[in-house]
Amino acid sequence: AQSVTQLGSHVSVSEGALVLLRCNYSSSVPPYLFWYVQYPNQGLQLLLKYTSAATLVKGINGFEAEFKKSETSFHLTKPSAHMSDAAEYFCAVTQGNAGNMLTFGGGTRLMVKP
Amino acid sequence: KAGVTQTPRYLIKTRGQQVTLSCSPISGHRSVSWYQQTPGQGLQFLFEYFSETQRNKGNFPGRFSGRQFSNSRSEMNVSTLELGDSALYLCASSLSGTATNEKLFFGSGTQLSVL
Repeated sequence: AQSVTQLGSHVSVSEGALVLLRCNYSSSVPPYLFWYVQYPNQGLQLLLKYTSAATLVKGINGFEAEFKKSETSFHLTKPSAHMSDAAEYFCAVTQGNAGNMLTFGGGTRLMVKP
Repeated sequence: KAGVTQTPRYLIKTRGQQVTLSCSPISGHRSVSWYQQTPGQGLQFLFEYFSETQRNKGNFPGRFSGRQFSNSRSEMNVSTLELGDSALYLCASSLSGTATNEKLFFGSGTQLSVL
């Protein structure tokens, strides 16, 4: 069984500040991890994914995430928030043989203050 | 290249009715997955189809069913609607259905309201 916990359903940062969205996973097999972003009235868009290559993964729009096996974490960061980053972010996990069956966390709504 | 297209965008039904939602994947994509998104339960996997065969199924009652046609278009059906079925239903497509190796593209969803 797999699960994902996202700490903080709402995170607020000032424009230009560091963005840190937390994700912890539970998996009995080596996990594949993803971060998706959802803008209002839209579907999900892939930001980045970890597939057991480099532990530091760079994604689109300046986001990156680091896989830490010892902490079972895959936190998402961005050095400097932009107003356009305001959205909901979802962390997800899957196994290698699970097709497109992803298990998602509860989501974190990021608000960016001017 | 057109993205994943879901129709209709909004739907209002009453309890006990049934509903059919449609999803057209990106051209060339053979895998279609469905997810339910609600404020209370979040995003939950419903099922996945590849080449007209259901490959994976989530933990939903039998009232939820789906199918995929030879052109990869997919439909999902919910029978005997309940208030709790009110949700945003998202469809996603990919080339061969391995999220670990390829990108999953999501549609904008169908917002179903059950009254």
